Amino acid sequence: DSGVTQTPKHLITATGQRVTLRCSPRSGDLSVYWYQQSLDQGLQFLIQYYNGEERAKGNILERFSAQQFPDLHSELNLSSLELGDSALYFCASSKDSGRFNEQYFGPGTRLTVT
Amino acid sequence: AQSVTQPDIHITVSEGASLELRCNYSYGATPYLFWYVQSPGQGLQLLLKYFSGDTLVQGIKGFEAEFKRSQSSFNLRKPSVHWSDAAEYFCAVGVPTGNQFYFGTGTSLTVIP
Repeated sequence: DSGVTQTPKHLITATGQRVTLRCSPRSGDLSVYWYQQSLDQGLQFLIQYYNGEERAKGNILERFSAQQFPDLHSELNLSSLELGDSALYFCASSKDSGRFNEQYFGPGTRLTVT
Repeated sequence: AQSVTQPDIHITVSEGASLELRCNYSYGATPYLFWYVQSPGQGLQLLLKYFSGDTLVQGIKGFEAEFKRSQSSFNLRKPSVHWSDAAEYFCAVGVPTGNQFYFGTGTSLTVIP
């Protein structure tokens, strides 16, 4: 158990809908990262937040947004969902802002868009 | 553009046999290099990382990796594989310029008794 929690575990929704994925980092970790893992794209970095501020951006679509709250949990919002958004979404956390320090991954949220 | 290549999509080894998983990267300078393991239904776990210094890096669970600058490679090795090592293995590259992080496509390892 990495100490990172993600809810929900599974999510099934229809095209055009909007969903919110939630992540709670390990106790004491200030950085949260979001990743998307799909069969065709592999594992891709989406975005990083550090202590409430956006720190780095990867291949995140404009339909997707994230935020980190004062209690350090983070939410990833996916809107106008398309079939291609079906994937496993991982959250990871680390102590500081350095992207290359060890990141601890949560178990993921599996999103299915029908 | 930077890239990470894991040429083997799937590898099968017998329990007790040695293992080598290949990883090549494309980057002008020496990047930061990582190996992660993903067990079924789990998130990723860091096995080891290389930033600088000794090119042979020891990790957790008996794994090691060797950085070879001349070959732009960072292959993962284990002398004797256990059934519990069956998982997906990802090589990743951290590029300080631009603060980017790239994963390879992964190698799925099956261990047969």
